[in-house]
Amino acid sequence: DGGITQSPKYLFRKEGQNVTLSCEQNLNHDAMYWYRQDPGQGLRLIYYSQIVNDFQKGDIAEGYSVSREKKESFPLTVTSAQKNPTAFYLCASSIGLAGGPGNEQYFGPGTRLTVT
Amino acid sequence: RKEVEQDPGPFNVPEGATVAFNCTYSNSASQSFFWYRQDCRKEPKLLMSVYSSGNEDGRFTAQLNRASQYISLLIRDSKLSDSATYLCAVAGGSGGYNKLIFGAGTRLAVHP
Repeated sequence: DGGITQSPKYLFRKEGQNVTLSCEQNLNHDAMYWYRQDPGQGLRLIYYSQIVNDFQKGDIAEGYSVSREKKESFPLTVTSAQKNPTAFYLCASSIGLAGGPGNEQYFGPGTRLTVT
Repeated sequence: RKEVEQDPGPFNVPEGATVAFNCTYSNSASQSFFWYRQDCRKEPKLLMSVYSSGNEDGRFTAQLNRASQYISLLIRDSKLSDSATYLCAVAGGSGGYNKLIFGAGTRLAVHP
């Protein structure tokens, strides 16, 4: 099946620990994105990558890090520096630059992270 | 003021009703517009893309009004299964062409 997978679905961590969220896609998309969603709020962009070995900060990158060593994979690390890490994390991908015709973003099922 | 704003709702409508949501955007440079549907505790799923004046897909119609800077989503003959949160997303605004900015969503509840 083609699509975007995220694991795990639910993740629990103690404060002060780093945690890495997985995102894999087999759609042959060049661009990948990480968003965070908090209750009653829209999605906010954390990081995005347009091509392997390149990534850019989004609007709320502080306390997060990413890597893009393979086209299919874009893992997100939530570090202990992130003040409010508990949230729903969504990974997305698109063929190329988002916003243009044919470059719509598609989302994975998400990971719910709870930090106590 | 937020760059993309939506009425949070909820909109409570009976089955068969027609319902419309609006999404306003503040940056006139915005180029592309999208409606996503999000079920409770699930990921957003793309419902419709709007690149010119509008788009139609079955019971769903999206209209873009560039002069007043809003896009609307019209749902005709509402079904129980249409109950969800509808997210509006805009590209080409302050974030640049390659970034989407999302509204907080409008909740729709369709009842028998």
